[in-house]
Amino acid sequence: SQTIHQWPATLVQPVGSPLSLECTVEGTSNPNLYWYRQAAGRGLQLLFYSVGIGQISSEVPQNLSASRPQDRQFILSSKKLLLSDSGFYLCAWSGTDYMGAFFGQGTRLTVV
Amino acid sequence: AQSVAQPEDQVNVAEGNPLTVKCTYSVSGNPYLFWYVQYPNRGLQFLLKYITGDNLVKGSYGFEAEFNKSQTSFHLKKPSALVSDSALYFCAVRDGGATNKLIFGTGTLLAVQP
Repeated sequence: SQTIHQWPATLVQPVGSPLSLECTVEGTSNPNLYWYRQAAGRGLQLLFYSVGIGQISSEVPQNLSASRPQDRQFILSSKKLLLSDSGFYLCAWSGTDYMGAFFGQGTRLTVV
Repeated sequence: AQSVAQPEDQVNVAEGNPLTVKCTYSVSGNPYLFWYVQYPNRGLQFLLKYITGDNLVKGSYGFEAEFNKSQTSFHLKKPSALVSDSALYFCAVRDGGATNKLIFGTGTLLAVQP
C-alpha cells in the first residue's frame, strides 16, 4: 500500500534562516505531488505541484520554492524565511486516476 | 474554473443526532468530488469520493454523501453523530487536466456535544 512521509512534524526557525521540508511517497510510481499551506487552521492554499521529476508548477508567488529531485521525493525550500511563512504545511500525492489526493501528517512551521 | 463552497463555518450537533455538512460545487464538465476530515495538527484524511454512479456515496467512519446534480450539491451526512466526529471537514473538487489538483472549500468545523 502507498504511504507518505513528511518531516519534521514541528519546526521553529528564526526570520532570515533557510528552510527545507521533505516529503517522500512509497508504494507508487510517478505520483503527482503537491505542497499546500494551511494558515490560521483553516483554508488550504496550493503552493506547488509536480507531475514528474524536475517539473514544478507554482500556484502563487511567494518566498518559497519546491524541487523534485527523485520520482517520489518532494522538497519545499526557502533561502530566507519571513514571519508570514509561518503555517501548517501539507504534502500530498495523487495517482493518474481519480482517487483523490492523500496527505502527509503536516509540518507546523513557526518563524520567530 | 472549478470551485466548491462550504457555506457554514461551524456546525453544532448533539451526540446521537444526525449531522449534515453542506457543500455546493461549480464545475465545467463532470464533477469529481471529495470529502476530507482533519483533526487538530494532523493531515487531511480521505473520507469519500463521487466520480460517477450512485448519487449516495458511502465512506469511512459511517459517513455518506449525497450528490445532487440539479442543486449542484454534495452534502456530507451521518445518521448518528459521535463526539469523536468533532473535526474540520473539507469538501474538494478535482481541477481539470492531468495534474489532478484538488480545489478545497474553506472548511466547516463540526462540533458534536455530548
